[in-house]
Amino acid sequence: QSALTQPASVSGSPGQSITISCTGTSSDVGRYNYISWYQQHPGKAPKLMIFDVTDRPSGVSNRFSGSKSGNTASLSISGLQAEDEADYYCNSYTTSSTWVFGSGTKLTVL
Amino acid sequence: QLQLQESGPGLVKPSETLSLTCSVSGASVTSSSNHWAWIRQPPGKGLEWIGTFYYTESIDYNPSLKSRVTISVDTSKNQISLEMRSVTAADTAMYYCARRITATGRHDYWGQGTLVTVSS
Repeated sequence: QSALTQPASVSGSPGQSITISCTGTSSDVGRYNYISWYQQHPGKAPKLMIFDVTDRPSGVSNRFSGSKSGNTASLSISGLQAEDEADYYCNSYTTSSTWVFGSGTKLTVL
Repeated sequence: QLQLQESGPGLVKPSETLSLTCSVSGASVTSSSNHWAWIRQPPGKGLEWIGTFYYTESIDYNPSLKSRVTISVDTSKNQISLEMRSVTAADTAMYYCARRITATGRHDYWGQGTLVTVSS
């Protein structure tokens, strides 16, 4: 199975908003709402930020939001902060009863 | 508080078998609320799903790894195990176990990971 497609890098200045896209197919992102997003700082385990397209776990800032349109899911971060600098991965269930991750996006806060 | 702890040898020789264990505390590995996944990350690269053990005792595997991988559960120890056969240098990675809540896409608890290097 192929990884979902994410931009390799995005950047923004503190206080700005950014969006990271995650493009799949009608067999994964377009088919299910089991879309989640993970934040990973260097040397750390991934942390769940968004699940089921739009839901935020308790404790995650409301600056993080998710959406989906067709075969593309998106993670938006508003009011960028230095601590948001990290790698971000999307994840989706597939029609093959498997899970697939995105290729990963490095977010740089300028 | 749910905690997951991966353990296993940090170094495995090429062509041998990698065996890892994920010890779970704070939840039962047989609870219908939970599924248990293994996920890996080669150094400097992205995340790759290896497989998921479902409370129904069915298991799904990544098709690219299925022929070499076995996931199992030891209910007496509340552990999930991963066995990967015929390893090569390409299997060098940080290996994570994670809990997914049933009927959601929510992998909400992860272990800290264990680094496995395949080298002679």
